[in-house]
Amino acid sequence: DAMVIQNPRYQVTQFGKPVTLSCSQTLNHNVMYWYQQKSSQAPKLLFHYYDKDFNNEADTPDNFQSRRPNTSFCFLDIRSPGLGDAAMYLCATSRGGTVTQYFGPGTRLTVL
Amino acid sequence: GIQVEQSPPDLILQEGANSTLRCNFSDSVNNLQWFHQNPWGQLINLFYIPSGTKQNGRLSATTVATERYSLLYISSSQTTDSGVYFCAAAPPTGKSTFGDGTTLTVKP
Repeated sequence: DAMVIQNPRYQVTQFGKPVTLSCSQTLNHNVMYWYQQKSSQAPKLLFHYYDKDFNNEADTPDNFQSRRPNTSFCFLDIRSPGLGDAAMYLCATSRGGTVTQYFGPGTRLTVL
Repeated sequence: GIQVEQSPPDLILQEGANSTLRCNFSDSVNNLQWFHQNPWGQLINLFYIPSGTKQNGRLSATTVATERYSLLYISSSQTTDSGVYFCAAAPPTGKSTFGDGTTLTVKP
């Protein structure tokens, strides 16, 4: 089945230790998104790739970076995680910009 | 940006009851989705419905774009319907914005 896959499902890191979360998709969608969702809150868009074009949200901290080496994969790098970065990180894809988004299962990040 | 408001914030039902969840948005949209977030955190697509009415089993949704709201109907609710329901709306040239969600608890 075509899907959006996120690894790992659970990630524990130490304060200040860089961490990378990964997302892959078999849907062949050209747009990939990263959202941050804190407990009891709505998902918040961090950035997205439209094809190879990177689009950063204005309020996304510089601590968060992303890479998309090819259509299928997208990575979220947190350079120096703080306690406030503990959250669920959700990857989504879509065919085009304003159509149905499909979400992966998420990676729950814990920062010690 | 577009504002998205959902109501009610919390809803508790007995199994078998029907419910209506509402999503108001502040601007014209060409994308509106309803999601169910399961207990493990995954967002499951329910409907892509920028306008009109759709039905899928016990669930249906209606969006009245001219009046800037969407409704999600759940009939004969089951305990597995519990979770958080989000709507996300996007204007023609903007990104999707999520509402704060409605937390549904269905009791056996």
